[in-house]
Amino acid sequence: ILNVEQSPQSLHVQEGDSTNFTCSFPSSNFYALHWYRWETAKSPEALFVMTLNGDEKKKGRISATLNTKEGYSYLYIKGSQPEDSATYLCACPSGGYQKVTFGTGTKLQVIP
Amino acid sequence: NAGVTQTPKFQVLKTGQSMTLQCAQDMNHEYMSWYRQDPGMGLRLIHYSVGAGITDQGEVPNGYNVSRSTTEDFPLRLLSAAPSQTSVYFCASSTEDTQYFGPGTRLTVL
Repeated sequence: ILNVEQSPQSLHVQEGDSTNFTCSFPSSNFYALHWYRWETAKSPEALFVMTLNGDEKKKGRISATLNTKEGYSYLYIKGSQPEDSATYLCACPSGGYQKVTFGTGTKLQVIP
Repeated sequence: NAGVTQTPKFQVLKTGQSMTLQCAQDMNHEYMSWYRQDPGMGLRLIHYSVGAGITDQGEVPNGYNVSRSTTEDFPLRLLSAAPSQTSVYFCASSTEDTQYFGPGTRLTVL
C-alpha cells in the first residue's frame, strides 16, 4: 500500500481567486499520478494522468505539474468558480496499473 | 453506451446477511475494480481484476469475494455482512491509465 497524501484537507476560496493543492507520493517505483474531480452526489471523474517528471497538463482553468524525483504533484485552479467546488483526488498505481491507492482528497468550496 | 452501471443504488442489510453488488460495463475494458468510500478515508481498493478469470486483492479485501467470468461483469459478494461494511461502494472499469466510475451503491448494515 502506497502512502499517498493530500493537503490541505479542505479549502474555502472566494470566486475569482486562484488556488492550488498538493499530492505527495513515494518517489521510488513511480508508475503514474492521476488526478480526479469528485462532485458531491456524483462519481469521480478523471482530470489528468501524469507519468513523466516535469509533466504539465492543462484543461481549461485547471492545470497540474509533476515532480517524480521529490514525489509531489500540484493542482492549480485559476480564477475559481462556484462550479469548481468539489473534492479533488490524486491516486497512484503500484504493482501494476490496476492496484491504485487514492489520497483522501482536498475538498474545495468556492464562495460566490 | 451506458458506461459503468451498479445495482442496487441503496441497500440495507442485517448483520449476517449475504448479498451481491452488481457492476457491469459496456466499454470492453479489461480492468475493473471495487472501492469503498468511508468518511475521512478516501477510496480504498477492495479487489480488482485485470481480465476475465483473473482477480486479485486490494487494500481491504477481508469479508468480500469477487469473480470475473465475463469482461462486462464484476460482482462483489458480501458473504456475512457486518456493521463495519457500512459504506458507499464504487465499481470502476479502466483503460491502462483512466478509471471510469459507476454511480455507487450505498450499503447500510444494521
